[in-house]
Amino acid sequence: QVQLVESGGDSVKTGGSLRLSCAASGFTFTDYNICWIRQAPGRGLEWVSYISPYGSIIYYADSVKGRFTISRDNAKNSLSLQMNSLRVEDTAVYYCAIEKTSGSSFDYWGQGTLVTVTS
Amino acid sequence: SYDLTQPLSVSVALGQTARITCGGNNIGNKNVHWYQQKAGLAPVLVIYMDKGRPSGIPDRISGSNSGNTATLTISRAQAGDEADYYCQVWDSSTVVFGGGTKLTVL
Repeated sequence: QVQLVESGGDSVKTGGSLRLSCAASGFTFTDYNICWIRQAPGRGLEWVSYISPYGSIIYYADSVKGRFTISRDNAKNSLSLQMNSLRVEDTAVYYCAIEKTSGSSFDYWGQGTLVTVTS
Repeated sequence: SYDLTQPLSVSVALGQTARITCGGNNIGNKNVHWYQQKAGLAPVLVIYMDKGRPSGIPDRISGSNSGNTATLTISRAQAGDEADYYCQVWDSSTVVFGGGTKLTVL
């Protein structure tokens, strides 16, 4: 069955860096676009970033552009999010989610990993 | 930027019908997806492409989309339907989520 397992969440100070990972299994990794989506405590869902199957198309939300970098390793069925210059407002649970075709729905989500940024 | 507007909360009596709206400019021209999120868990897709139902989602849950409003309808509401519900669209190269609606089953 499809599994997405995020890791790498931690508590860091403002200005610090963190790298999140998402390990995928149970499906053909290169058949899917993948996104990072976050949820601040007690708040709604916020899209963070998107990457196409071979990494040729990448999008970022304005709130993270220039600070976060999404990448994927198709040989290892894994997705990463390098987060630099972290801010208090980046505190959230970060989910990876997969999308079969552009513009379609996020069919599967991981369980999330918590990032806490303190001043 | 494109905005999606959802009511903060909707209440429904057990066994009755709940309707959760998602407003957006000409949203009827977009594909709308809906997610259910129960406390402490990851979101789960319940409706895709306005009215498609993933396998395992009961036919009590349906969707529609026209004009400036998309609607998620939950018929014969059960206690297990209590959750937060989010609508979602793509707008150009951006994913947009509604603010979420908390459904309470009385």
